[in-house]
Amino acid sequence: QKEVEQDPGPLSVPEGAIVSLNCTYSNSAFQYFMWYRQYSRKGPELLMYTYSSGNKEDGRFTAQVDKSSKYISLFIRDSQPSDSATYLCAMMDPFNFNKFYFGSGTKLNVKP
Amino acid sequence: EADIYQTPRYLVIGTGKKITLECSQTMGHDKMYWYQQDPGMELHLIHYSYGVNSTEKGDLSSESTVSRIRTEHFPLTLESARPSHTSQYLCASSPGSTGEGSYNEQFFGPGTRLTVL
Repeated sequence: QKEVEQDPGPLSVPEGAIVSLNCTYSNSAFQYFMWYRQYSRKGPELLMYTYSSGNKEDGRFTAQVDKSSKYISLFIRDSQPSDSATYLCAMMDPFNFNKFYFGSGTKLNVKP
Repeated sequence: EADIYQTPRYLVIGTGKKITLECSQTMGHDKMYWYQQDPGMELHLIHYSYGVNSTEKGDLSSESTVSRIRTEHFPLTLESARPSHTSQYLCASSPGSTGEGSYNEQFFGPGTRLTVL
């Protein structure tokens, strides 16, 4: 069983839509949860991270963690064509801060 | 934008060749990492380093080797490339955990796309 599962998409939405991206995980010990954005032919860049449960908001982006369901989400409000990218979730190994478990990424296309 | 660089960006080589993928960062980070990324697949850690003269293997079995002679430089070498090595290779660095409960943010380079014929 994979540590992290993520729907690969692709997800296609019109500009201005609210986007919901999700990941599930199997290890209840995970505490740090990250979302990366990766544009084509680029490396991933960190969007947001959260520690433990709850919500975190940064501009149009909201990250949500539900530890009881082992489920994390990233919401994008008022989506823009520039948000078109692959979004990767990741979790840090609680016993080895050098080790991260990544989802396979969800490809998002925001149509103008 | 993160100051981490990878060269070459694209490489096409024949089977059996020895190659070195370069990675440099100017942020003074102690920790550096190499990941392999295939389309539609998760990133797999192949090597990491805590600092100068420290290297560790990651989860993915790899025929590559790394060295860390200088803080800013973390090259990855394939002694004899094979078609199964065809992939995207991503280098990353991080300042490392600053204490209990802190987060170890990774900064990624743009990647090297390797094709072995």
